Amino acid sequence: DQQVKQNSPSLSVQEGRISILNCDYTNSMFDYFLWYKKYPAEGPTFLISISSIKDKNEDGRFTVFLNKSAKHLSLHIVPSQPGDSAVYFCAATTYTNAGKSTFGDGTTLTVKP
Amino acid sequence: DAGVIQSPRHEVTEMGQEVTLRCKPISGHDYLFWYRQTMMRGLELLIYFNNNVPIDDSGMPEDRFSAKMPNASFSTLKIQPSEPRDSAVYFCASSTGTIKGTEAFFGQGTRLTVV
Repeated sequence: DQQVKQNSPSLSVQEGRISILNCDYTNSMFDYFLWYKKYPAEGPTFLISISSIKDKNEDGRFTVFLNKSAKHLSLHIVPSQPGDSAVYFCAATTYTNAGKSTFGDGTTLTVKP
Repeated sequence: DAGVIQSPRHEVTEMGQEVTLRCKPISGHDYLFWYRQTMMRGLELLIYFNNNVPIDDSGMPEDRFSAKMPNASFSTLKIQPSEPRDSAVYFCASSTGTIKGTEAFFGQGTRLTVV
């Protein structure tokens, strides 16, 4: 049973446009969510997070939206840049077990110049 | 800080051989994680430690896999005997474990190929 799902394996966007990456989760106990970015031959790096008490968190070009009732979160990148081309992982955890995150399978974003 | 350091970066071994992957976490981080990434299963958590103690090893696929953390600055993941289906990229990560610091810092990974 996959508790965190990223249903789109890949996404292609034109430079300057918005990229929207989606993530769904099934475990209602999750109350903290993270996005990681991964370049080839490197480990994932933390990008942005959101607590379940919020529905939006913004950091520069990156915004994460959380819809708890739908158990859905999304990452918006505006404007998209070619350097954003990477694999994006969604992850979820709980406040009571903050050391352990469950990851989605990732979405490969390609931003075309 | 140099970040999480993993060695080796690449390992090619023959089926049946023992493989040992090594990890040095970021100083001060009291959580350490071992992940495996494959095309079929994505990024899966194998085991994690808190203050050098294994907390959850439910992701370890079989008894052929074992992990140790003898001190706060070193951990190993051992596969004995190795099989071709163990071929994957293995990541080590560390974090402070607090909710604000729950983001994990990953090493560059060890690409294991078992032939």
